[in-house]
Amino acid sequence: KAGVTQTPRYLIKTRGQQVTLSCSPISGHRSVSWYQQTPGQGLQFLFEYFSETQRNKGNFPGRFSGRQFSNSRSEMNVSTLELGDSALYLCASSSTVNTGELFFGEGSRLTVL
Amino acid sequence: GQQLNQSPQSMFIQEGEDVSMNCTSSSIFNTWLWYKQEPGEGPVLLIALYKAGELTSNGRLTAQFGITRKDSFLNISASIPSDVGIYFCAGQPGGTSYGKLTFGQGTILTVHP
Repeated sequence: KAGVTQTPRYLIKTRGQQVTLSCSPISGHRSVSWYQQTPGQGLQFLFEYFSETQRNKGNFPGRFSGRQFSNSRSEMNVSTLELGDSALYLCASSSTVNTGELFFGEGSRLTVL
Repeated sequence: GQQLNQSPQSMFIQEGEDVSMNCTSSSIFNTWLWYKQEPGEGPVLLIALYKAGELTSNGRLTAQFGITRKDSFLNISASIPSDVGIYFCAGQPGGTSYGKLTFGQGTILTVHP
């Protein structure tokens, strides 16, 4: 079974730009969650999607948004990038059972200059 | 919001030694999970705990769900070099939380051969 796939793996942007990150969940998994990982704040929950609907949202500004498609693939977007948005963005998928068991991708490393 | 206090922050041990780390919370969780992250990869689920007092093993790893539902610990017996990595505890409050986990700050484990 293929794992969670995230693209791109690395990207560099400048302040003010916007970025879109993509995530393909494990086949059959309909829930996709996004996390931001930084050395200072650790792993922080961004949002979660299930059946194309946002089910939960973390405490991030409106510049962070996401969506899920009918095939369960998900994208997240960050607009008007700030230096502090530099982070590893992790996508995780899970089955429909509410166990909290997440399967993470390798992440997209975003650097904002 | 909810916070998890994970300790110790780092550990330097000799191969063959046992390791113990723990997590405490000010809030109750319905599920406790332990993840391991290696450089360049996303976190990988090690153990999931669903009931207060539950003790679960996965090879050399043993974890327990505290009876107050506000804490959990992870033990690694007879450590080996491939145990190196960052270990995270995570809690899920239950209800409609699904993929929304709260993570501890991580324990960095170094094993000297």
